[in-house]
Amino acid sequence: NAGVTQTPKFQVLKTGQSMTLQCAQDMNHEYMSWYRQDPGMGLRLIHYSVGAGITDQGEVPNGYNVSRSTTEDFPLRLLSAAPSQTSVYFCASSLRVGGSSSYNEQFFGPGTRLTVL
Amino acid sequence: GENVEQHPSTLSVQEGDSAVIKCTYSDSASNYFPWYKQELGKRPQLIIDIRSNVGEKKDQRIAVTLNKTAKHFSLHITETQPEDSAVYFCAPLRGGATNKLIFGTGTLLAVQP
Repeated sequence: NAGVTQTPKFQVLKTGQSMTLQCAQDMNHEYMSWYRQDPGMGLRLIHYSVGAGITDQGEVPNGYNVSRSTTEDFPLRLLSAAPSQTSVYFCASSLRVGGSSSYNEQFFGPGTRLTVL
Repeated sequence: GENVEQHPSTLSVQEGDSAVIKCTYSDSASNYFPWYKQELGKRPQLIIDIRSNVGEKKDQRIAVTLNKTAKHFSLHITETQPEDSAVYFCAPLRGGATNKLIFGTGTLLAVQP
C-alpha cells in the first residue's frame, strides 16, 4: 500500500492564481480531511469528508473548495490564492471517525508546501 | 464544538528526565484520546491512544493517563532521549455522529543531550 499520497510536494503561486492540491489513499478509508499548518503552529481543519459525495467545512474553510467523487481521492482547490494561504497542507485519512476504536487513527500524507507571493 | 488546549506549549528537558504534556478538552462525550508526534519536517504519526473505559495505557517509555471527570488526559514520556524531540498533538474525539477531528494546539518538546 502506498498509504496517503499528496502532489505536488512544493508549489509557488502568485496572488490570484488558482490551483488544486491532490490527495489519494489506497486503504479504502471512508474519512478524509485537509489540514493546514502555519510555521510554528498547530493543525487547523479546512474541510473533511465522511465518504464519497459527502463533504463538510472545518475550522478554516474560506478560500478553499473540496469534492469527493471517489473513495480514493480528495482534492483541495484554492480559488484565488492569497499570501495568507502560505502554509504546509496535510491530507489525512482514517477508516472511519467516531466511536472509540482504533479505526479512528489518522494517517497523514507527506504534505504540500505552498508559497503564495 | 470541541475546545482543545495543550499545556505547556513548549517544554525543554535534559536527556533522561521525564516529560508530561496535558490536554484539556470541553466535550464530555469524548471517548477516544490519541497523541500524535510530529518530527521536524515530517508528517504527524499516532504514538499512543486510550479509550474512555481505560484509565491508563503504557507502551515502553510512553504512557497516557485519562481523567474523564476533569476532562483532561496526559502524555508521559520517561527516560527521554534526543529522538523524542518533536511537536506532540492531542486530538480527543467523541463517539457518535460528530466527525470533526480537531487537534490541540501542540507542544514542542526539546530534549537536551
